[in-house]
Amino acid sequence: AQTVTQSQPEMSVQEAETVTLSCTYDTSESDYYLFWYKQPPSRQMILVIRQEAYKQQNATENRFSVNFQKAAKSFSLKISDSQLGDAAMYFCAYGIYNQGGKLIFGQGTELSVKP
Amino acid sequence: DTEVTQTPKHLVMGMTNKKSLKCEQHMGHRAMYWYKQKAKKPPELMFVYSYEKLSINESVPSRFSPECPNSSLLNLHLHALQPEDSALYLCASSRGNAGEFQETQYFGPGTRLLVL
Repeated sequence: AQTVTQSQPEMSVQEAETVTLSCTYDTSESDYYLFWYKQPPSRQMILVIRQEAYKQQNATENRFSVNFQKAAKSFSLKISDSQLGDAAMYFCAYGIYNQGGKLIFGQGTELSVKP
Repeated sequence: DTEVTQTPKHLVMGMTNKKSLKCEQHMGHRAMYWYKQKAKKPPELMFVYSYEKLSINESVPSRFSPECPNSSLLNLHLHALQPEDSALYLCASSRGNAGEFQETQYFGPGTRLLVL
């Protein structure tokens, strides 16, 4: 069975600093996608970044980048130049082909940003 | 435009009431999803519609009844709910056929439901 583990329930970062959120997953599939979603206190889930497993290059979106290690089944999110608006719950999610669009979410990491 | 809208934002209902949640998207997406989310927990998938047909029901109790009248609209009909059904209900949509490949899902803001 596929599982997603986020081992850090809470993280804290100083404004303008860099923070890395960890995510590991377990699967026997070779084709899949990985996502990081952000859910601020307003509760709307927002896509942060997406990575296709067949791509070796790590995805990047502005201040957000991932470190995708397929062999290690690791998918960490790095947030550079942290801003107060980055404070949110971050969910790592895994989806595979031919599973009807099902996403498997990790338990989440609550990130706080200190001014 | 990646907007998914949900109404109402908040809903309070008694255990004998019947109510409906509505979700709408105008992005031309053909897959739509209902999730239930408890506080500080990840979303749990309830239903998936693909091209207006129900493709996944995650063993959800029959007091929750989904409906997809057209490709832009998704409803969740609620009847005889229990207090433990109180949660945030999220709708999402994705571009293509959800059965063939993993598309990015775009979420609405959710409906916060309280069952008394």
